[in-house]
Amino acid sequence: NAGVTQTPKFHILKIGQSMTLQCTQDMNHNYMYWYRQDPGMGLKLIYYSVGAGITDKGEVPNGYNVSRSTTEDFPLRLELAAPSQTSVYFCASSYFDRGNQPQHFGDGTRLSIL
Amino acid sequence: AQTVTQSQPEMSVQEAETVTLSCTYDTSESDYYLFWYKQPPSRQMILVIRQEAYKQQNATENRFSVNFQKAAKSFSLKISDSQLGDAAMYFCAYRSEGTEGTGNQFYFGTGTSLTVIP
Repeated sequence: NAGVTQTPKFHILKIGQSMTLQCTQDMNHNYMYWYRQDPGMGLKLIYYSVGAGITDKGEVPNGYNVSRSTTEDFPLRLELAAPSQTSVYFCASSYFDRGNQPQHFGDGTRLSIL
Repeated sequence: AQTVTQSQPEMSVQEAETVTLSCTYDTSESDYYLFWYKQPPSRQMILVIRQEAYKQQNATENRFSVNFQKAAKSFSLKISDSQLGDAAMYFCAYRSEGTEGTGNQFYFGTGTSLTVIP
């Protein structure tokens, strides 16, 4: 049972560079989410998807883009990386997006931008 | 946006003792769901326990239980017989009842770091 898999686990990026954080899930969940976690803070929603081809902004979408071409994959793209985007990024998925259905999380990607 | 407050940045407990982590939230909604997640040093977010607002009975999962006070908008987590493996960051989270297909995001508190002393 792989669950939610994120790659890479760690990465250092230079200011102005771009990269894609990968997220894949094997639970056939329709709903997928990207969060960032800054030190001493809770998780903040960046983008979410309610199914293949459908994405929408969360609380903190600026500087990021997403796509959802398949049910399994939900990559997060950082364009023109800035130091403020140094954070730990979590991908999550759920079968339903309401009720007591929990979100299942990946192990996170620690991203440093220097 | 809903606000979730965890007023205890750090807590410690002796092994085998009981500890209670606090969580309050701000909402005008009557239907919602509350969750506690555990984040050990490995970083993975693990669901500990969940509570439906329409249920008066407090949820329990083995050594973990909650004290849900809807009128006070309080949702504390009690860990009994604490074990070394309980050491982690604990996050309280809120989700609206909402409408399916609209994302219905979780709102997280800032977390409480729990240390278990042998």
